[in-house]
Amino acid sequence: AQSVSQHNHHVILSEAASLELGCNYSYGGTVNLFWYVQYPGQHLQLLLKYFSGDPLVKGIKGFEAEFIKSKFSFNLRKPSVQWSDTAEYFCAVNSGGGADGLTFGKGTHLIIQP
Amino acid sequence: GAVVSQHPSRVICKSGTSVKIECRSLDFQATTMFWYRQFPKQSLMLMATSNEGSKATYEQGVEKDKFLINHASLTLSTLTVTSAHPEDSSFYICSARPWDRGRSDTIYFGEGSWLTVV
Repeated sequence: AQSVSQHNHHVILSEAASLELGCNYSYGGTVNLFWYVQYPGQHLQLLLKYFSGDPLVKGIKGFEAEFIKSKFSFNLRKPSVQWSDTAEYFCAVNSGGGADGLTFGKGTHLIIQP
Repeated sequence: GAVVSQHPSRVICKSGTSVKIECRSLDFQATTMFWYRQFPKQSLMLMATSNEGSKATYEQGVEKDKFLINHASLTLSTLTVTSAHPEDSSFYICSARPWDRGRSDTIYFGEGSWLTVV
């Protein structure tokens, strides 16, 4: 069975600070990795995804994530956060061809202070 | 972009009654839809995978007779919570995968539905 661990449940940063949110997964086979964001009152939106190829993935809104297979990690990064990045961030995985439902981490609540 | 819509967004029902939540893909056809449940301050938990024209596949621990899922068309899946109890109160989220090969590796989420059982 798959599992996803997000290390930070709450993160508070000031605007322009750099961000890194940790995500580790547990699964022995091929995985697809995702980061989703949920802004207050809105539905989940895909930030970025990794299926194969270049382990450094660039997503929307200046976010990127790096897949490190040896560490079973897929950390999310942004060099300079904005107040509008305040949201809940979820790391998720599914296996193989990507047809399966997602296994989510517990989420990280990010608050950006102006 | 792709849109998945859920209805109702909020519903309150009495204990013992049944309530239906709809999930529609508005601009694509979805052979597969997924239903998740999210408790406050917790992660989304996959409840079941719904395939158009066939029976849903339920995750371990999810009662299929309590959470009835129907996927009668390529744009609509419904979740019916039968004989609801207060412990069924939760946030239910659906997602849909386009059958279009160009977008089939992306899953789109609905806005979620808050269910409160009183």
